[in-house]
Amino acid sequence: AQSVTQPDIHITVSEGASLELRCNYSYGATPYLFWYVQSPGQGLQLLLKYFSGDTLVQGIKGFEAEFKRSQSSFNLRKPSVHWSDAAEYFCAVAPTGGGNKLTFGTGTQLKVEL
Amino acid sequence: KAGVTQTPRYLIKTRGQQVTLSCSPISGHRSVSWYQQTPGQGLQFLFEYFSETQRNKGNFPGRFSGRQFSNSRSEMNVSTLELGDSALYLCASSYWGGDTEAFFGQGTRLTVV
Repeated sequence: AQSVTQPDIHITVSEGASLELRCNYSYGATPYLFWYVQSPGQGLQLLLKYFSGDTLVQGIKGFEAEFKRSQSSFNLRKPSVHWSDAAEYFCAVAPTGGGNKLTFGTGTQLKVEL
Repeated sequence: KAGVTQTPRYLIKTRGQQVTLSCSPISGHRSVSWYQQTPGQGLQFLFEYFSETQRNKGNFPGRFSGRQFSNSRSEMNVSTLELGDSALYLCASSYWGGDTEAFFGQGTRLTVV
């Protein structure tokens, strides 16, 4: 069965500092990969996705992620964090050709210090 | 265009009752998926409907059921509510599923007392 691991439950960074959120997945082949963000009491917003091709993908709000097949990782990065980035971030996988069935990691809560 | 709409936003039910939640997908989207979010279990997939047929199913008991109508609107039903069913229920729609982006609604917060 597929699974997603986000090893960092909480991360605190200073505004303007760089950010990297880790994500490792377990899947028999290369799945579809996603990063979502959730603000308190809200639904999920897609930041970026990887289906195939270039392993460095750009998303919204200045985020990017790099797919590394050899490490089964899909880490999310941002060069300079803004206070409004404080939220919970979820990494997710979906089987290729398997419909919209996302398996989520446990999430990383990001706190931004001013 | 209008996003995914979930109604109601908040619900309080008594243990043993049943509840129906509604999800209106983005116009033109044919896939609707449901997820349960709790502090203890995180985000878990319930089921997915595509063109009125259940295409995928998660590991939830039979008390959880759903359906999709010809206009792609979807409902999920939970019968014989338990305290552990208290959660945020999220609906996501996409045009096809899988390799198309899923858009989430704001969710329905269900509290079982």
